[in-house]
Amino acid sequence: DTEVTQTPKHLVMGMTNKKSLKCEQHMGHRAMYWYKQKAKKPPELMFVYSYEKLSINESVPSRFSPECPNSSLLNLHLHALQPEDSALYLCASSHPGGQGVDGELFFGEGSRLTVL
Amino acid sequence: SQKIEQNSEALNIQEGKTATLTCNYTNYSPAYLQWYRQDPGRGPVFLLLIRENEKEKRKERLKVTFDTTLKQSLFHITASQPADSATYLCAVYTGGFKTIFGAGTRLFVKA
Repeated sequence: DTEVTQTPKHLVMGMTNKKSLKCEQHMGHRAMYWYKQKAKKPPELMFVYSYEKLSINESVPSRFSPECPNSSLLNLHLHALQPEDSALYLCASSHPGGQGVDGELFFGEGSRLTVL
Repeated sequence: SQKIEQNSEALNIQEGKTATLTCNYTNYSPAYLQWYRQDPGRGPVFLLLIRENEKEKRKERLKVTFDTTLKQSLFHITASQPADSATYLCAVYTGGFKTIFGAGTRLFVKA
């Protein structure tokens, strides 16, 4: 069982809805990530938080809004999404090293998002 | 441009044989490289990490090699089992919290 918990597992939303994806870890990791993965494609990095501060935004559209309320929680707020945003959204965490990641990424099971 | 290439064709092997998967990368000089397993509809699970100064790493039936001159990593599963059937992702750490993934190779092990 993964130690990174993502909710909900499945989400269907219309293009005018506002919803949020949630991620929680209790491994003491201080780096947390959002990746997006479409079918038969690699996970693509969206955002990275290090010590609760946004470190990387990979030019993600503003309809995706990340939030890191504390060291254990990571949210992804969704608003006015497009059908092409339908994908598996993966949260991950890791130990941050001196200049970045220190080793492996621990992934959650993902949230399957469908935008109608 | 920077690329990570894995064989996009599925690999079909018989139970008990050794599966060998390839990962080639261009325009990176990674401090380390990782391999993950991903089952359908689930998140990737970490398997092995190999650093740039290591040639080979083993863990149970798994072996990874890393050739920084060829810019290539090979991933071997010995005595393969049907339960090893999954997609295997190669991942390159490019620095500053960025880990970039290949598209993966789908492995099918037949009983």
